[in-house]
Amino acid sequence: AQSVSQHNHHVILSEAASLELGCNYSYGGTVNLFWYVQYPGQHLQLLLKYFSGDPLVKGIKGFEAEFIKSKFSFNLRKPSVQWSDTAEYFCAVNGRSGNTPLVFGKGTRLSVIA
Amino acid sequence: GAVVSQHPSRVICKSGTSVKIECRSLDFQATTMFWYRQFPKQSLMLMATSNEGSKATYEQGVEKDKFLINHASLTLSTLTVTSAHPEDSSFYICSARDPTGTEAFFGQGTRLTVV
Repeated sequence: AQSVSQHNHHVILSEAASLELGCNYSYGGTVNLFWYVQYPGQHLQLLLKYFSGDPLVKGIKGFEAEFIKSKFSFNLRKPSVQWSDTAEYFCAVNGRSGNTPLVFGKGTRLSVIA
Repeated sequence: GAVVSQHPSRVICKSGTSVKIECRSLDFQATTMFWYRQFPKQSLMLMATSNEGSKATYEQGVEKDKFLINHASLTLSTLTVTSAHPEDSSFYICSARDPTGTEAFFGQGTRLTVV
């Protein structure tokens, strides 16, 4: 069955700390991988995506993610978080071909404290 | 990027009434749209896949007679919550993949509150 697993439910960091959020997926076939962010009271926004090519993907706001095929992982990283990064982060996957829906992980709540 | 517009953003209705939510792709044609539901502090759960000109495909556990989906044109899909009950209160989000089929775009979401 298709699934996405995010290991951390809630992460609390101080400003300037480094961030890594884990994401593993189970999906038959070739996949596209995504990280979305949802700020409090707002809709989903795309942080970054991986389709093919360089497995290290850079997104907006200083985020990056690395696709490790052998580990079925797509972890999100940021070297130095800011208070404004406080939000819910969702990893998602869909199939490369056809009109397949996104399958989301349960999300990780990031709280950044001053 | 492509734009998906969802309306209304918020709706409050009485128990037993029906509510229609619209999802439009503004600058591209979407033969397929997806409807998700998000409970507070939880992830998005796929409810159904809406296909233009044909019946929607519902995920297991989603009542098709309660959540009516119509995809009458290449730019519009509607979700009607029939005979709404308080437990239907949730955040409903639609999504469509862009014409290249690689990226999904999301509507702003609809916060439904049934009182």
